[in-house]
Amino acid sequence: QPVLTQSPSASASLGASVKLTCTLSSGHSDYAITWHQQQPEKGPRYLMKLNSDGSHSKGDGIPDRFSGSSSGAERYLTISSLQSGDEADYYCQTWGTGPWVFGGGTKLTVL
Amino acid sequence: QVQLEESGGGVVQPGGSLRLSCAASGFTFSRYGMHWVRQAPGKGLEWVALIWLDGSTKYYGDSVKGRFTISRDISKNTVYLQMNSLRAEDTAVYYCARGNDYGDLWGQGTRVTVSS
Repeated sequence: QPVLTQSPSASASLGASVKLTCTLSSGHSDYAITWHQQQPEKGPRYLMKLNSDGSHSKGDGIPDRFSGSSSGAERYLTISSLQSGDEADYYCQTWGTGPWVFGGGTKLTVL
Repeated sequence: QVQLEESGGGVVQPGGSLRLSCAASGFTFSRYGMHWVRQAPGKGLEWVALIWLDGSTKYYGDSVKGRFTISRDISKNTVYLQMNSLRAEDTAVYYCARGNDYGDLWGQGTRVTVSS
């Protein structure tokens, strides 16, 4: 079962860009992941599925400001033109034959 | 519209039971596996249970195995989580989510508090 590692926190200024990282454990670098956003006091929201080759498919209504990329065991979520509403927790998730695995989440602060 | 709506949360004493429901609408329920995921206060997401689209196979997280049971009723487009022998550490917001592989749709959650 893979393990996903995320930095606990990140920050960037309003209007700037930020790149969040999710790292897959050794031996699992070919796994796809998904990114989810959780705004304060709300349920998670699916953002995108991100494959090992960097191709990704976004959920309905997800703005173009959100994009994904991959390099080796690392999966990235880039948010450009940051808005105050982007301040949230971001989780990566992967899966095997059944159970889901979540990263610990990154709390993004928009300055 | 496409959505999931949980219900059934509340306050229960340690050792008690509770049944959560998740009503699906706007999509063909029988084509998807369904999951329960929980989030303890101030913590991250923890996967709890999965039921395959046909209900034939179920998986549970180690922390709930033997105490929680997931089920689904295709006729009601609803997935359930029966929670028995509840402990203080089961206190969390419980979310249902859709997904055969990955999760692409979440509910808004229902809060469960286990306290005497």
